[in-house]
Amino acid sequence: KQEVTQIPAALSVPEGENLVLNCSFTDSAIYNLQWFRQDPGKGLTSLLLIQSSQREQTSGRLNASLDKSSGRSTLYIAASQPGDSATYLCAVSTGANNLFFGTGTRLTVIP
Amino acid sequence: EPEVTQTPSHQVTQMGQEVILRCVPISNHLYFYWYRQILGQKVEFLVSFYNNEISEKSEIFDDQFSVERPDGSNFTLKIRSTKLEDSAMYFCASSRQGADNEQFFGPGTRLTVL
Repeated sequence: KQEVTQIPAALSVPEGENLVLNCSFTDSAIYNLQWFRQDPGKGLTSLLLIQSSQREQTSGRLNASLDKSSGRSTLYIAASQPGDSATYLCAVSTGANNLFFGTGTRLTVIP
Repeated sequence: EPEVTQTPSHQVTQMGQEVILRCVPISNHLYFYWYRQILGQKVEFLVSFYNNEISEKSEIFDDQFSVERPDGSNFTLKIRSTKLEDSAMYFCASSRQGADNEQFFGPGTRLTVL
């Protein structure tokens, strides 16, 4: 069964800093990997989708990479802002029309 | 921008009662999903639905649960005989196609079973 792990569980950085969030998965046979943002008590906002054939995706200040063979993905956030404070979730699709989620990294950006 | 909507935002029910959670997926999407998140835990897949039938379901999705697309826009999750441990946030999602497509999530329904 696919297991998804995210490290660190929580991260606190000063505003303006660049940061990296990590995601690892146990089964490399994935269709894609998706990064989400979740604000407290709210739904999930899709940030980036990387297909299994891709190595990188960018959206604004966000850059996600995927190394399928090693079972790893990173989400790079440039020039962090207080509004980036949220929990970031990664999820992998194994092709069975479902997503396996990690436990998330709770990010706090200090003004 | 089109989005997935869910009603109600919060549902409180007594143990043993039946609840129906409602979702309106994005209009041109063909695949629909339900997930749940127990407080402090991972988001867990429950079921996926395509072409008016279940395409995949998890071990959690037992006979207590059912899904339906009663008309051209709504997608519902019914939970029979609710238990205390069914208390969770339930998320509906949709995607244009299946496994290799981006899933878009609704804001969730918080279910509290007393």
